[in-house]
Amino acid sequence: EMQLVESGGALVQPGGSLRLSCAASGFTFGSYEMNWVRQAPGKGPEWLSYISSSGSVIYYAASVKGRFTISRDNARNSVFLQMKTLRVEDTAVYYCARGRGDYVEGHYMDVWGTGTTVTVSS
Amino acid sequence: DIQMTQSPSSLSASVGDRVTITCRSSHSISSYLNWYQQKPGKAPRVLVYAASSLQSGVPSRFSGSGSGTDFTLTISSLQPEDFATYFCQQSYNTSWTFGQGTKVEFK
Repeated sequence: EMQLVESGGALVQPGGSLRLSCAASGFTFGSYEMNWVRQAPGKGPEWLSYISSSGSVIYYAASVKGRFTISRDNARNSVFLQMKTLRVEDTAVYYCARGRGDYVEGHYMDVWGTGTTVTVSS
Repeated sequence: DIQMTQSPSSLSASVGDRVTITCRSSHSISSYLNWYQQKPGKAPRVLVYAASSLQSGVPSRFSGSGSGTDFTLTISSLQPEDFATYFCQQSYNTSWTFGQGTKVEFK
């Protein structure tokens, strides 16, 4: 069974840092693109960041560019999100999601984790 | 960023109804449009990708259509397990955005 499990969510003060991890199982992790997506309470999902299968191509949403860093370790079947200078508005459930598609199909996310909660509050 | 606007934001329907949800993009996105279903406390699940391609395992009562700026998700005969929130998502450029969601509720 394909599975993604996030960890690392916590309560953190504004201006603080946090590192999220996502462990994959049930598929050949190193062959797939990965994403981080968050969802604030009562809101729609917000895509945050993408990393190619090799890690050589990375994209960020404007809202997190310069503050968040995505990385992956294919030997450990894991993808990470380093978050710094956290703001109250970063409070959300954070999901990792496997990316699929190509230049014909576009990009979509077909396997999602259960999410980890980040709360930024003083 | 490309803005995605869904309508309606919520709707009430009964089992067996035909349900249509609309998504409009602020710029033309060709067919780079995906649809997701989300139930409370769960992660989103992809239903349709590339505007009209049904994801493996998704029931055939779901279908998607459209191109350019206007897209539609149709549920041909609403089932009890379909009461959920639906989101569209564009992947035209490398700043992917979601719609605000359409909640399908029991009438």
